[in-house]
Amino acid sequence: DTEVTQTPKHLVMGMTNKKSLKCEQHMGHRAMYWYKQKAKKPPELMFVYSYEKLSINESVPSRFSPECPNSSLLNLHLHALQPEDSALYLCASSQDKPSSTDTQYFGPGTRLTVL
Amino acid sequence: AQKVTQAQTEISVVEKEDVTLDCVYETRDTTYYLFWYKQPPSGELVFLIRRNSFDEQNEISGRYSWNFQKSTSSFNFTITASQVVDSAVYFCALSEAQLDYKLSFGAGTTVTVRA
Repeated sequence: DTEVTQTPKHLVMGMTNKKSLKCEQHMGHRAMYWYKQKAKKPPELMFVYSYEKLSINESVPSRFSPECPNSSLLNLHLHALQPEDSALYLCASSQDKPSSTDTQYFGPGTRLTVL
Repeated sequence: AQKVTQAQTEISVVEKEDVTLDCVYETRDTTYYLFWYKQPPSGELVFLIRRNSFDEQNEISGRYSWNFQKSTSSFNFTITASQVVDSAVYFCALSEAQLDYKLSFGAGTTVTVRA
C-alpha cells in the first residue's frame, strides 16, 4: 500500500495567521519530504527528514517550520506567510534515507491560498 | 543548467491515438535513476516507473511503455491507445549521487486526451 495522506486538502489563510499542514504515512518509510509546487511548474524540494532528523533544508524562509514528531508523521507549520507562498504543498516519503535506489511516493497535496 | 528537459509543453490527442513524451537528461554520474510521474488535475503525483542507469531494457506496463537510450540520454514514455483518464501532467525526473539523490524534475508535459 503506497499511501501518503495529507490534511487539509485546501487551506485559506491570512498573512497574520498561524496554521499547520499535516502528512502521514504508514508504510514504515524513514524519509519524508516537503515540496512546494507553483502552478504549471514542477515540484521544488523544501525539506527532507531522514530517520526523524532534518537532513536537508533548501534555504527555505523561516516562516515555514517543519516538524517530524515520529517516523510516520510530518508537519509543516506556517506563520506570517506572503501571498506568493500560495501553492500546492506536497508531502512524499521513501523507504530509507534519500538514495538512488529509493522511490518517493507522494501525497495528494494541500492547496494553500494566502490572502 | 537544466538536468532534465521535457521539450514538449503540451500535447493534445484524440482518444485511441498513441502519444510519446520525450525526456532528455544530463548527468556526469555513472549510476543514476530516472523516473516518470503522472499528476492528474487532482494534484497527487503518481509514481509510474523507476529505471536505473545500468538497465537499458525497454519496459511495458499495460498501455504504457518506456524507451531508455543511454547513447542519446533519453528516457521516452509512450501511451498507447490513449484514454481521457490519461489527461494529466507528466514529469520526468532524475536522481543522482552528485546532488544527494534529490529528484531533479523536468518542466512537465501536459497531455490532453479528447473524447
